[in-house]
Amino acid sequence: QLQLQESGSGLVKPSQTLSLTCTLSGGSISHGGYSWAWIRQSPGKGLEWLGSITHTGNTYYKSSLKSRVSISVDWSENQFSLTVTSVTGADTAVYYCAREGVVENWFDPWGPGISVTVSS
Amino acid sequence: EIVLTQSPGTLSLSPGERATLSCRASQSVSNSYLAWYQQKPGQTPRLLIYGASSRATGIPDRFSGSGSGTDFTLTISRLEPEDFAIYYCQQRTNWPPERAFGQGTKLEIK
Repeated sequence: QLQLQESGSGLVKPSQTLSLTCTLSGGSISHGGYSWAWIRQSPGKGLEWLGSITHTGNTYYKSSLKSRVSISVDWSENQFSLTVTSVTGADTAVYYCAREGVVENWFDPWGPGISVTVSS
Repeated sequence: EIVLTQSPGTLSLSPGERATLSCRASQSVSNSYLAWYQQKPGQTPRLLIYGASSRATGIPDRFSGSGSGTDFTLTISRLEPEDFAIYYCQQRTNWPPERAFGQGTKLEIK
């Protein structure tokens, strides 16, 4: 059974770079039927898709965040990563990684999430 | 960019009642690309429905999805105590390649 686990720094200073990694267990990141996504949820708010990376390494991002967000994949470690540059308090959120269906639209499963606070 | 608007913002019902949650898209969405999620406090979102009407693995049949074009509905036929949560709809577009969530409907116990 596929499981995802986020890891990374839970505290980032304003203007610095947020970096998170999602590690898969029980499945391969190179599986052709899926993409891999990052989604966040600000305190008390709804869900916001940040971007996704396909099994071939193609990426697509939320248009309003495109200049600051980057997703990459490490095939050998079976993990994918998120970086968000020039962070502000608005980037404080719980960050989730998730598997994304390719043919049909869904996110499942999700990692448990990692809380990231932007503060000096 | 497609915007998803969910209504109502909050729905107050009693166990045993029927819940009807709405999701309206700002432009037509392919049925294949409309999904619903449930999120309970402190928990990860859970996929309920994909393809507008297909239940995800392990989802009870009291949950059903319907709709097409710009109007979609999640129906819970008979509310159980564990169904009180926040529900999100979600869609994707192939060009531009974006995904978006609605703002959520909170289903609370009356």
